[in-house]
Amino acid sequence: ETGVTQSPTHLIKTRGQQVTLRCSSQSGHNTVSWYQQALGQGPQFIFQYYREEENGRGNFPPRFSGLQFPNYSSELNVNALELDDSALYLCASRDRRNTEAFFGQGTRLTVV
Amino acid sequence: KNEVEQSPQNLTAQEGEFITINCSYSVGISALHWLQQHPGGGIVSLFMLSSGKKKHGRLIATINIQEKHSSLHITASHPRDSAVYICAPYNNNDMRFGAGTRLTVKP
Repeated sequence: ETGVTQSPTHLIKTRGQQVTLRCSSQSGHNTVSWYQQALGQGPQFIFQYYREEENGRGNFPPRFSGLQFPNYSSELNVNALELDDSALYLCASRDRRNTEAFFGQGTRLTVV
Repeated sequence: KNEVEQSPQNLTAQEGEFITINCSYSVGISALHWLQQHPGGGIVSLFMLSSGKKKHGRLIATINIQEKHSSLHITASHPRDSAVYICAPYNNNDMRFGAGTRLTVKP
């Protein structure tokens, strides 16, 4: 067990709706990254937060946004859901001084 | 061309065989992860390495920074090793992922 927990584990939403996914980081880890993994593909980097500020972003539109809280837990928000947003969403936390990342179990989002 | 290329994409082995999975990358990195993903999605980090070789039980990972290549070896493979293995080179701000190698070990 990595100490990184994500909620919910599964979620079904309707196209056009908004969704919030949550991640609790490993204790002491101040950096969290979010990834999208479509079926049969490798994960794709969405963005990274360090000390409550976004400090890196992949090729995702602005309707993908995030927050990191003072306790280093974080949220991924997706607005105006599209069918192609159906995927496994993974978060990973790390201590910025040590690059080893610890992953959560993921949230499987289905958009219908 | 993808930034991270893994081979093979799929691999079927008999229990006890020696397994090698290869990863080539084109990005500059500070480290590289080898990850294991079981059905259901959870990812476990097997190794993080930035040079040389690391060994953990039956698993061995090597990296050649100059050649931008890494390999994951599994000795005496077992059906419980069946999973997707993902190579993920890493720089300061993000991790790039290979598409994964789906390994099936038959008893």
